[in-house]
Amino acid sequence: KAGVTQTPRYLIKTRGQQVTLSCSPISGHRSVSWYQQTPGQGLQFLFEYFSETQRNKGNFPGRFSGRQFSNSRSEMNVSTLELGDSALYLCASSPNRDLKNEKLFFGSGTQLSVL
Amino acid sequence: AQKVTQAQTEISVVEKEDVTLDCVYETRDTTYYLFWYKQPPSGELVFLIRRNSFDEQNEISGRYSWNFQKSTSSFNFTITASQVVDSAVYFCALRGYSNYQLIWGAGTKLIIKP
Repeated sequence: KAGVTQTPRYLIKTRGQQVTLSCSPISGHRSVSWYQQTPGQGLQFLFEYFSETQRNKGNFPGRFSGRQFSNSRSEMNVSTLELGDSALYLCASSPNRDLKNEKLFFGSGTQLSVL
Repeated sequence: AQKVTQAQTEISVVEKEDVTLDCVYETRDTTYYLFWYKQPPSGELVFLIRRNSFDEQNEISGRYSWNFQKSTSSFNFTITASQVVDSAVYFCALRGYSNYQLIWGAGTKLIIKP
C-alpha cells in the first residue's frame, strides 16, 4: 500500500508569490491534516479535512488555505508569501472519523524556501 | 491551555547505552491522548505509540518502552541498548478530548554514536 505522497519535495519562491502544495493520502484514508514545521516554532497544526470539509483549523492567517477533493487528495495554498513562511510542510492522513485517538501517517513533506 | 514540554533539546550517547527521553504535558481535559513520533533525517514522522488517559499501563515494544504517570503528567520514552539507527528527532504530542489539534513538544534530537 502506497504511503502518503507529497509534491513537490522542494520549492523555492519569492516574497509576494503564492504556492500550492499537494498531498495524496493513503488509499482509503479520508482525513488529511497539514502541519508546518520550523526550527523556531516547531510543529504547528494548520488544518484538517474530512470528506471534503474543513473540520478544524489552527491559528494561522487567512493567507493559508486548503481544500480536499472527493478522492481525499488535498491541497494547501499560501498566498502573498512571506519570508517567515519558509518551512517544512507536512501532510498526514488517517483512516477514520475519530481523529482524536488515531495515529497519523505522514508524508515526507514539502520544503518551502521563500527568498 | 494544552502544552507539551520536552526539556531535552539534544541527547548524545554511545551505542548500546540506554537512554530516556522525557515528556511532560499539561491539559485540563480528563480524557486525552498521548503520542510519540520519530522523525528520521528523511523528514517523515513515524508513529511509535499512542496512550489514552485511562490507560496507565506501561508498554514495552522490543527495545522501546514507555512510562506513563498521570501523577506527574509525564510520558517518558526509554530506548534500551540504543543503536545508530535510533538516531532521529523524537516528538511527544498531546490531543485533548475537547480539541482536534495535536499539540507537539519541541522534540528531542537523539544522536547515537557508534
